Amino acid sequence: GAVVSQHPSWVICKSGTSVKIECRSLDFQATTMFWYRQFPKQSLMLMATSNEGSKATYEQGVEKDKFLINHASLTLSTLTVTSAHPEDSSFYICSVSQSEPYNEQFFGPGTRLTVL
Amino acid sequence: AQSVSQHNHHVILSEAASLELGCNYSYGGTVNLFWYVQYPGQHLQLLLKYFSGDPLVKGIKGFEAEFIKSKFSFNLRKPSVQWSDTAEYFCAVNTNAGKSTFGDGTTLTVKP
Repeated sequence: GAVVSQHPSWVICKSGTSVKIECRSLDFQATTMFWYRQFPKQSLMLMATSNEGSKATYEQGVEKDKFLINHASLTLSTLTVTSAHPEDSSFYICSVSQSEPYNEQFFGPGTRLTVL
Repeated sequence: AQSVSQHNHHVILSEAASLELGCNYSYGGTVNLFWYVQYPGQHLQLLLKYFSGDPLVKGIKGFEAEFIKSKFSFNLRKPSVQWSDTAEYFCAVNTNAGKSTFGDGTTLTVKP
């Protein structure tokens, strides 16, 4: 399966600053990557689908101006949390998916964001 | 839209006990079904998956799951759990290429 990395693994920032999280597919060319958010003791919530070379598709209720996604290459997608606030503190996870018909996802290790 | 329901929020078992975690989904069409596991401090990894064919699928570490279409269920089972099975378990449904819906997760604690 695909190997996915994320950087940084954890980050602490001040309220009002922006934070960029990278997601890399190390051995698989991913035209599509997914960004999830996971709150403590809760499930993964899909935030957006990142499409290489085009605009991301955001899920309902996710602010696209708040969570900027760039998928500039087949191996890299970035999520930028702009003007972060304490309520943005969470665990952010990316994944890549193999093509149809097998839709198994391979997850990155996640990034813990803490906004002070 | 599809949804996934996991019945057990937290399960506590002793070693060697049998495990069954419930998962029901709502979607009228063809689905791909998954169980993922997240061990403490680690990232999500696939436990097993069902796409088609034999509704009883076997995964890693002795886990298995049975797809019952009439009940919209995909329950996870293991005959004898070990302390190392302590983890968070997520059921997921996929109906579009790569986009999955996850259940709320079940925390399994196995007492040594």
